[in-house]
Amino acid sequence: QSALTQPASVSGSPGQSITISCTGTRSDIGDYNYVSWFQQHPGKAPKLMIYDVSDRPSGVSNRFSGSKSGNTASLTISGLQAEDEADYYCSSYRGSSTLIVFGTGTKVTVL
Amino acid sequence: EVHLLESGGGLVQPGGSLRLSCAASRFTFSTYAMSWVRQAPGKGLEWVSGISGSGDSTFYADSVKGRFSISRDNSKNTLFLQINSLRAEDTAVYYCAKDTYCTSISCGAFDYWGQGTLVSVSS
Repeated sequence: QSALTQPASVSGSPGQSITISCTGTRSDIGDYNYVSWFQQHPGKAPKLMIYDVSDRPSGVSNRFSGSKSGNTASLTISGLQAEDEADYYCSSYRGSSTLIVFGTGTKVTVL
Repeated sequence: EVHLLESGGGLVQPGGSLRLSCAASRFTFSTYAMSWVRQAPGKGLEWVSGISGSGDSTFYADSVKGRFSISRDNSKNTLFLQINSLRAEDTAVYYCAKDTYCTSISCGAFDYWGQGTLVSVSS
């Protein structure tokens, strides 16, 4: 099952905004609004940041926002902070035997 | 706070088997779909398998179909993953994860994760 496509790395200075893209197909992102985003710091378990394209779990900063257009989902981090430096993964429901597909992952660096 | 604790990982030879467990606490376990997600060393996340809250429906990634078997014991709040015919490419940290609200099928919004258990396949 092919993974969703993300840029390998994205960087920004403190206070800036960055956007991470996640490109899939009509069979996953395009057809379903079950897109999630996860943050993972080294050696730690992933943390849910966005689900259902744009919903934020309780406790997640409103600096994180999600959107979708066609077969591509996006995560925007505004007011970038040092603690945002981590790996970020998107995921989507696929509706086939392989229910869930993850993205390739993006390393966010705060300059 | 919800707690998930995996166990059962270890070093195993190619072709061997392992049974992973995930003990859940502080939520109504039988209500939620659960999944196993793995991460090979230095690599990304890969969804492996999912199960409905009742345990009646199971789902597998194509890469593990026929070799992995997911199950749950709702009376003991425990999730399992039976892994057979292990290959070197199965080496990874295996996480159990809880769906945020989905019950009959995994929607992928995993709001709680365990700390992971390492499976190493090597001769």
